[in-house]
Amino acid sequence: GESVGLHLPTLSVQEGDNSIINCAYSNSASDYFIWYKQESGKGPQFIIDIRSNMDKRQGQRVTVLLNKTVKHLSLQIAATQPGDSAVYFCAENITLYAGGTSYGKLTFGQGTILTVHP
Amino acid sequence: DAGVTQSPTHLIKTRGQHVTLRCSPISGHKSVSWYQQVLGQGPQFIFQYYEKEERGRGNFPDRFSARQFPNYSSELNVNALLLGDSALYLCASTVGRGLISDTQYFGPGTRLTVL
Repeated sequence: GESVGLHLPTLSVQEGDNSIINCAYSNSASDYFIWYKQESGKGPQFIIDIRSNMDKRQGQRVTVLLNKTVKHLSLQIAATQPGDSAVYFCAENITLYAGGTSYGKLTFGQGTILTVHP
Repeated sequence: DAGVTQSPTHLIKTRGQHVTLRCSPISGHKSVSWYQQVLGQGPQFIFQYYEKEERGRGNFPDRFSARQFPNYSSELNVNALLLGDSALYLCASTVGRGLISDTQYFGPGTRLTVL
């Protein structure tokens, strides 16, 4: 079935290091990908997104890379800070059709736990 | 500006009972999607409501139902609760139907515990 998965369930880094979180997806029809950060007791927080017609997008301290050939997505965080400690999810958005209309559905992976040590 | 709000924050129910969870989307957003997040996993899509109609549904039983009101707020109802329904229930709002680049913004969730 359709799925989005993560290679590494946990990642531990030192403050100031760069972090890379990886994600594999299986649905080649996905047209939009999003990275979310979820802190304990909170809902997922949008970090950055990328459309399927792009291979790289940069934000503030974050970069998302998309490789459609191997169905791989990565999130790079520069100069990682203790406040970046959280669970990170990649999600793929696919357009589905039902009842004569369309809607977007997010499929999430299991998540990667990022721990940043001071 | 207020983000997505959900109530209650926490809820404890017993098996067989019914529960109603509430969500208010970001002002100007017309769509609400509901997700279930079991501990240790990513959120799973339950439904999407847009302009007060169900537009899409995930692989959840008919015990799960929802509705959207004229002010675009939404309620999620779960009947005949099972232990396996214990989870964090998340609401996400979008301007439109959550199509490409229409980002889904999530609320803090309601933690449901079924005993």
